Amino acid sequence: GENVEQHPSTLSVQEGDSAVIKCTYSDSASNYFPWYKQELGKGPQLIIDIRSNVGEKKDQRIAVTLNKTAKHFSLHITETQPEDSAVYFCAASILDTGFQKLVFGTGTRLLVSP
Amino acid sequence: SQTIHQWPATLVQPVGSPLSLECTVEGTSNPNLYWYRQAAGRGLQLLFYSVGIGQISSEVPQNLSASRPQDRQFILSSKKLLLSDSGFYLCARRSRTFTGELFFGEGSRLTVL
Repeated sequence: GENVEQHPSTLSVQEGDSAVIKCTYSDSASNYFPWYKQELGKGPQLIIDIRSNVGEKKDQRIAVTLNKTAKHFSLHITETQPEDSAVYFCAASILDTGFQKLVFGTGTRLLVSP
Repeated sequence: SQTIHQWPATLVQPVGSPLSLECTVEGTSNPNLYWYRQAAGRGLQLLFYSVGIGQISSEVPQNLSASRPQDRQFILSSKKLLLSDSGFYLCARRSRTFTGELFFGEGSRLTVL
């Protein structure tokens, strides 16, 4: 089955700096890679996702890159702000019109200091 | 609406006591529903998923069970809690889009003493 590893487990940056979180996956059949943000005491929320037919996707200050050959994908946050502080999870799955099972990484706690 | 209601929000239970966490969802019928557990310092572990009433699949053998008595109701239960059952339990539903985004509830925090 799929295994997803995520690094680093914690990341501290100054406001305005960039933050990068990296994940690797094991199942070459995986073709969908979402990123979720979890604020304290709440459920995770999808912030960006990428499918395996593209190498990069951007949405304002966040971007995700995918290297299918190396089986790794990364989340990039530019111009970080204190409200970006949260736990971020990467995930991988095989897209299916029926049931879909996301396998999550262990999470990265991002702290953005003013 | 993709609203997901979970209760109770927090729960403190003694070892050996029973457990019932409830999840109800709004929106389209026959949603795919999931129970995840988030233990301290660990990622999101899929426990159960359901594609319809009475249809439950278990991902991890454990002390817990799940049931889906109604289309939009998903229940996580245990007859006798263990210390290791402590964690943050999240109910989720899959969106109808092709990529199948998961929408999570606000979670139920369980502490077993």
